[in-house]
Amino acid sequence: AQSVTQLDSQVPVFEEAPVELRCNYSSSVSVYLFWYVQYPNQGLQLLLKYLSGSTLVKGINGFEAEFNKSQTSFHLRKPSVHISDTAEYFCAVSFNSGGYQKVTFGIGTKLQVIP
Amino acid sequence: ETGVTQSPTHLIKTRGQQVTLRCSSQSGHNTVSWYQQALGQGPQFIFQYYREEENGRGNFPPRFSGLQFPNYSSELNVNALELDDSALYLCASSFGWNSPLHFGNGTRLTVT
Repeated sequence: AQSVTQLDSQVPVFEEAPVELRCNYSSSVSVYLFWYVQYPNQGLQLLLKYLSGSTLVKGINGFEAEFNKSQTSFHLRKPSVHISDTAEYFCAVSFNSGGYQKVTFGIGTKLQVIP
Repeated sequence: ETGVTQSPTHLIKTRGQQVTLRCSSQSGHNTVSWYQQALGQGPQFIFQYYREEENGRGNFPPRFSGLQFPNYSSELNVNALELDDSALYLCASSFGWNSPLHFGNGTRLTVT
């Protein structure tokens, strides 16, 4: 079975400071990795994805994530956050389960940017 | 391109009733998935439809059922509603099993 652990439920950070949101996963098969962002009263929006190739992945809004296979991690980073980054962030793993795409999400990390 | 749209946005039902939620996929996408997101939780996979057939299901009882239509739009039906069914229901479309999910804004269902 696959699982995703987001180690921090809430992360407060001052505006223009760097931030790292942590994600670890567990899987017995190869997976694809994603980060999604959810703003209040909205659905989830894709931030970035890792399918293969370079382990450093750049996404929208200045976010990036690094895939570390040995540590089974896929941490999300941004060097300088903005007020508008306040949202909930979800890490997800995807794999082919008998012909369909099974996606497992973490519990989410609420990023609160403090002015 | 047209994104994923869901209707209605909010819904209040009474325990024991039945509900139908609707979703229009993003153009060009042939796969639709439904997720339940309870308050303070991540989305939980309900099921996935591909070419009008259910091809994957999460840990949800049979009273959760769905349909996918030839235009790839979809419905989620829930019978015999329970209080714990109160949640945000998200529809997501995709093309191919390793492509990212494109989500709608969800339907907020409240069961009283």
